[in-house]
Amino acid sequence: QVQLQESGPGLVTPSQTLSLTCTVSGDSVSTGTYYWTWIRQPARKGLEWIGRIYTSGTTYYSPSLRSRATISIDNSKNEVSLRLTSVTAADTAVYYCAREVWGQLGNWFDPWGQGTLVTVSS
Amino acid sequence: QSVLSQPPSASGTPGQRVIISCSGSSSNIGTSYLYWYQHLPGTAPKLLIYANNQRPSGVPDRFSGFKSGTSASLAISGLRSEDECDYYCAAWDKGLGGWVFGGGTKLTVL
Repeated sequence: QVQLQESGPGLVTPSQTLSLTCTVSGDSVSTGTYYWTWIRQPARKGLEWIGRIYTSGTTYYSPSLRSRATISIDNSKNEVSLRLTSVTAADTAVYYCAREVWGQLGNWFDPWGQGTLVTVSS
Repeated sequence: QSVLSQPPSASGTPGQRVIISCSGSSSNIGTSYLYWYQHLPGTAPKLLIYANNQRPSGVPDRFSGFKSGTSASLAISGLRSEDECDYYCAAWDKGLGGWVFGGGTKLTVL
């Protein structure tokens, strides 16, 4: 059974860099036809796609976050990481990682992690 | 403001049928598969419907998805108390080059 677990600081100072890790168990981040994806949800708002990384290391980002987001893979630790620079209060959200499955009938997110709350505040 | 539009809330009594709508545009729902996710806050969201109307194994046939043009809907029949949570629609947006989601619908079982 594939499981994803997000981790990282729960509090980040404005203008600093948010760094999160998604630890994957039950699957390898370096094999298979998957994207590893980051999604966030600000309080009382909907879900927002941040970006994804293919097993080869190729990345794709939301146009609105492309200039500040970096997603990377650490094959030795079986982890996927997210870095978001120059954060503001608007980046306060629950951050989820998810495996994006590539199928004949499109792509979908399965499974997801439980999410981790990051608050941007001084 | 989410790219896909969903009603913020829906409700029904046990055993009832409830429909949750999701509307978008030609750059997303109109040209992409539509997906539904079920989310109980504090837990991991769960895939409920993929490719417009397909149920993953383990999802009861009480849940069904429909898509027509730039709109889609999720129908839940035989409503049960454990269905009370948030539901999100999602689609790939070819114009934006990324995934877009609805704002979520909070389902209350009365």
